Amino acid sequence: QKEVEQNSGPLSVPEGAIASLNCTYSDRGSQSFFWYRQYSGKSPELIMFIYSNGDKEDGRFTAQLNKASQYVSLLIRDSQPSDSATYLCAALLSGSARQLTFGSGTQLTVLP
Amino acid sequence: EPEVTQTPSHQVTQMGQEVILRCVPISNHLYFYWYRQILGQKVEFLVSFYNNEISEKSEIFDDQFSVERPDGSNFTLKIRSTKLEDSAMYFCASSAGTSGGVNSYNEQFFGPGTRLTVL
Repeated sequence: QKEVEQNSGPLSVPEGAIASLNCTYSDRGSQSFFWYRQYSGKSPELIMFIYSNGDKEDGRFTAQLNKASQYVSLLIRDSQPSDSATYLCAALLSGSARQLTFGSGTQLTVLP
Repeated sequence: EPEVTQTPSHQVTQMGQEVILRCVPISNHLYFYWYRQILGQKVEFLVSFYNNEISEKSEIFDDQFSVERPDGSNFTLKIRSTKLEDSAMYFCASSAGTSGGVNSYNEQFFGPGTRLTVL
C-alpha cells in the first residue's frame, strides 16, 4: 500500500516563529508533491507544489523535497494566528497520472 | 480569481436514494476530479475525468458511482443507491492539465464541497 504519512500533531508554535511540517512517502517513484491547507469544515486550499529535489520558496512558505530520504517538508516563516489550520501533504504516486494520495494532515496552532 | 463551485452545499438523503452532486470546474481546466473526506479521515481520491471519459478511478468508485459532464460547464457525481457509509464531504477539483512527462505537474484546485448526509 503506497502511503503518505504525516505527524498528526497538534503542533503549536508562537506567533512569529517558524513552523515546520513534515511528510514521508513510501512510493520511491512518486514525482510530485503538494501542500494544502485546510481550515476546519472547509476544503483543501493549495499552498504550493514541488517536484525537484531541494527547496522551493513562495512568500513565507518554503517546501523542501529530499527524494533519497522520501521526505517532504513545509516551513512557514513568521507564523501568524491565521495560519492555524490542518496542513495536508499529497503525492502523485508512480503509476498514476492524476490521482493525489493525501496524508492525514498535521494540525497547526499559532499562538498569539 | 476563478474558482470551482459546487452545489448543493449540504444534501440530506435517505439510504437507498439516488443523489447527484454538481460542480462547475474552473472554465479553462481540462481535468476534473471527485474526492471525498469522511469526517476526521483523510481526503480520498474517487475519480478523474478527461476528454469526456474516466481516466482513473479508485476502489471506492464502484458501480454505485458515476460521473458525467452533461454540458460545457457542469461536472456531476451520481450515487445510485446511497449507503450510510457514503456520508462524507465530497470535493470536486479541477486542473489545467499539462503535457505528459515525468516532471509534469498537476495543480488541483478544490471546490468548497458538498456535505452528504445519508440517514
